[in-house]
Amino acid sequence: NAGVMQNPRHLVRRRGQEARLRCSPMKGHSHVYWYRQLPEEGLKFMVYLQKENIIDESGMPKERFSAEFPKEGPSILRIQQVVRGDSAAYFCASSRGAKNIQYFGAGTRLSVL
Amino acid sequence: AQSVTQLGSHVSVSEGALVLLRCNYSSSVPPYLFWYVQYPNQGLQLLLKYTSAATLVKGINGFEAEFKKSETSFHLTKPSAHMSDAAEYFCAVRVSGRRALTFGSGTRLQVQP
Repeated sequence: NAGVMQNPRHLVRRRGQEARLRCSPMKGHSHVYWYRQLPEEGLKFMVYLQKENIIDESGMPKERFSAEFPKEGPSILRIQQVVRGDSAAYFCASSRGAKNIQYFGAGTRLSVL
Repeated sequence: AQSVTQLGSHVSVSEGALVLLRCNYSSSVPPYLFWYVQYPNQGLQLLLKYTSAATLVKGINGFEAEFKKSETSFHLTKPSAHMSDAAEYFCAVRVSGRRALTFGSGTRLQVQP
């Protein structure tokens, strides 16, 4: 039973480029969460999605960031026109239901040059 | 709003010694509390969770934590440290009605031979 799969594991982008981070939840999980971890800090919640719906995006920056979880395929976190401050580890978690335990992927480490 | 404070960003113990990692929370409603462990370049793994049942919670790898409402604490302990316990530990809180986890800033545990 595969866990939460994130790809790529490492992503390098130049300032102004777009970054797309993918997350495939565990089998049977329909709830996905994205968190960001800046160096030497804890994880900060960004967005919570169910299939085709954004439920809570209170932690998402207002500009350049977007997320989706389509009916088919992985959840995507998209960062447009990246800046150096976007360099961080981005973790995805999934759960079976809204009250269930969140299981985390290994993360995508984004470096912006 | 809920918050989590982890006292001590770095803790060093000798192999075989007691491990004590501190976590205090603030929440206006009864919380769900979690401890996660993160090994280098990996995702977070759930150690244990408190969900308003027994106040002493036993987790994996010999760890346990005690919920103390009067002290608003949820400290993590292990009687005897192993070298393999060296990692970063995060305390997290979730309140009823919200799905996002709020994390502390983490404590890096070093185990000396």
